[in-house]
Amino acid sequence: QSVVTQPPSASGTPGQRVTLSCSGSRSNIETNNVYWYQHLPGTAPKLLIFNNNQRPSGVPERFFGSKSGTSASLTISGLRSEDEAHYYCATWDDFLRGVVFGGGTQLTVL
Amino acid sequence: EVRLWESGGGLFQPGNSLRLSCTPSGFTFTKFAMSWVRQPPGKGLQWLSAISASLRDTNYADSVKGRFTISRDNSKNTLYLQISSLRADDTAVYYCVKDRLGVTTGNFDSWGQGTLVTVSS
Repeated sequence: QSVVTQPPSASGTPGQRVTLSCSGSRSNIETNNVYWYQHLPGTAPKLLIFNNNQRPSGVPERFFGSKSGTSASLTISGLRSEDEAHYYCATWDDFLRGVVFGGGTQLTVL
Repeated sequence: EVRLWESGGGLFQPGNSLRLSCTPSGFTFTKFAMSWVRQPPGKGLQWLSAISASLRDTNYADSVKGRFTISRDNSKNTLYLQISSLRADDTAVYYCVKDRLGVTTGNFDSWGQGTLVTVSS
């Protein structure tokens, strides 16, 4: 049971906008940066968002990260079939003195 | 291009020990913190342990403290993870991960392809 929680599943149709949530607490999300990872089966996870809302080079502008208080969100606009993957949020936890991952959200593009 | 090569996975008996290695290329290893993350079959990502660039700081997930030991040899450009008293629930793909900074933040900008560890009698 992770201290950072994500809904296990989400879905959308091509072209839609979907928002994935990540809920934590004062010791993790509220006081530390949030990172988002995309994981496709059989591949290495990929950093999508760092420092709450920054995109690494090569990540499309369709991916948008935000944070407010003890929660963070990843919004994907113009959903595409290739966006079907697992998405994980992660952050540092000051109490646990370690990195915590959310349980992940499996995004299905219908 | 940054690359991380994990090795040391395979089939192991419960109770045995193993050591995973990670050999990086494409960046200055001594400047960045490194972590190990695993994914058990059908489950999510689990951060295990991290070590700072300076070797001064090591951190462990509570669930692995006492059995897992992270280390790095900056002279050999290699990261290690020693696991003792292997259990069936250690079965997972183990990833070597590079942090963006010299201290651990969770900002993992490069991942290896993973090495599969199977613990079974």
